[in-house]
Amino acid sequence: GQQLNQSPQSMFIQEGEDVSMNCTSSSIFNTWLWYKQDPGEGPVLLIALYKAGELTSNGRLTAQFGITRKDSFLNISASIPSDVGIYFCAGQNRSAGKSTFGDGTTLTVKP
Amino acid sequence: DARVTQTPRHKVTEMGQEVTMRCQPILGHNTVFWYRQTMMQGLELLAYFRNRAPLDDSGMPKDRFSAEMPDATLATLKIQPSEPRDSAVYFCASGSPGPYEQYFGPGTRLTVT
Repeated sequence: GQQLNQSPQSMFIQEGEDVSMNCTSSSIFNTWLWYKQDPGEGPVLLIALYKAGELTSNGRLTAQFGITRKDSFLNISASIPSDVGIYFCAGQNRSAGKSTFGDGTTLTVKP
Repeated sequence: DARVTQTPRHKVTEMGQEVTMRCQPILGHNTVFWYRQTMMQGLELLAYFRNRAPLDDSGMPKDRFSAEMPDATLATLKIQPSEPRDSAVYFCASGSPGPYEQYFGPGTRLTVT
């Protein structure tokens, strides 16, 4: 089946720093989604990408759908303590109807 | 503010007991997903439904797990008999056709002793 490689697995950064994480796949997806999970809660959708090359922002978050359709990137600018959590990427082929999730990137922000 | 709801939020039970978890998808959403999350396995898809029909339950141990949608407002995940290795957080998510985005509930934290 389709596999997603999400990296890095964890990040420890200082408040105010920028963050980058990415997902790569062995096969093509036509939708990429980025979620954030706070402790004790379910994942919350941050950004959805539907076209190769698409660059979409949501506040301090920016995500890109790779040109090859096999990767996606998420950047967080000027991190703050509430950015702490686990970030998941998910790839989806619309015909399949289900998403394949990466293993997550755990972000820790030191004040 | 439309949300996916799940009950119970926490469940502690003894090995061998039956466990039933319930999910109310967002009104108007026609796809429902059940996931299991553990430290070791991340988010693991167990089953999903579209228009109440099961489309894929290949991720679910068939001998003890069952998933149903009695109606459009209720999805259930049942484990019988439960085992300690079933301890995990179980998430339900719903989605609508078109955007293909999934909206997650708060999860049910299951502990089997």
